[in-house]
Amino acid sequence: KNQVEQSPQSLIILEGKNCTLQCNYTVSPFSNLRWYKQDTGRGPVSLTIMTFSENTKSNGRYTATLDADTKQSSLHITASQLSDSASYICVVTPGTGTASKLTFGTGTRLQVTL
Amino acid sequence: NAGVMQNPRHLVRRRGQEARLRCSPMKGHSHVYWYRQLPEEGLKFMVYLQKENIIDESGMPKERFSAEFPKEGPSILRIQQVVRGDSAAYFCASSPPSRQNTGELFFGEGSRLTVL
Repeated sequence: KNQVEQSPQSLIILEGKNCTLQCNYTVSPFSNLRWYKQDTGRGPVSLTIMTFSENTKSNGRYTATLDADTKQSSLHITASQLSDSASYICVVTPGTGTASKLTFGTGTRLQVTL
Repeated sequence: NAGVMQNPRHLVRRRGQEARLRCSPMKGHSHVYWYRQLPEEGLKFMVYLQKENIIDESGMPKERFSAEFPKEGPSILRIQQVVRGDSAAYFCASSPPSRQNTGELFFGEGSRLTVL
């Protein structure tokens, strides 16, 4: 069964600190992995996409890594800001089928405080 | 280029009433997906539609729920005889025809249904 597990479930950090969110998946075959940011009461917005051959990809203060062998991804946030407070969702696209077969993680809820 | 538009943003219904949620995809997108998100839970796929066709409804309950995406107008998710367990945020997402196999989705802001 295709699954995506994220950890930690929730995280509180001080503004300016760094943090790393984890995503483990069992989806096979694999096409790509995306990280979405979902602000409270809003829809998810894509941050990064990683394909099988990519190890690292950055988007400003967000850096995603992918290890396709161990089926793990991480999202590193540098110099956190209050606006980073949100849920971060890991989504895996299978190698077959359409976007209707995406597997979503339950998200990591990040709170950045003063 | 406007994003995915959903309305209403908030909807309150009493048990037994009907709820209709509307979604207009991004311009040029012909694929629409509906997801449900319960509090503290992840997004759950419900249904995938193209214009005038339901492609995959494997995630949608067989009773009381229906969806359509007519040739003209928005996609509509309809919930008949709502129950308290239907209270959730319903998100619509769209993708362009050329990218729908890459999993690239653009989400709306969601419609939050509360059943009293």
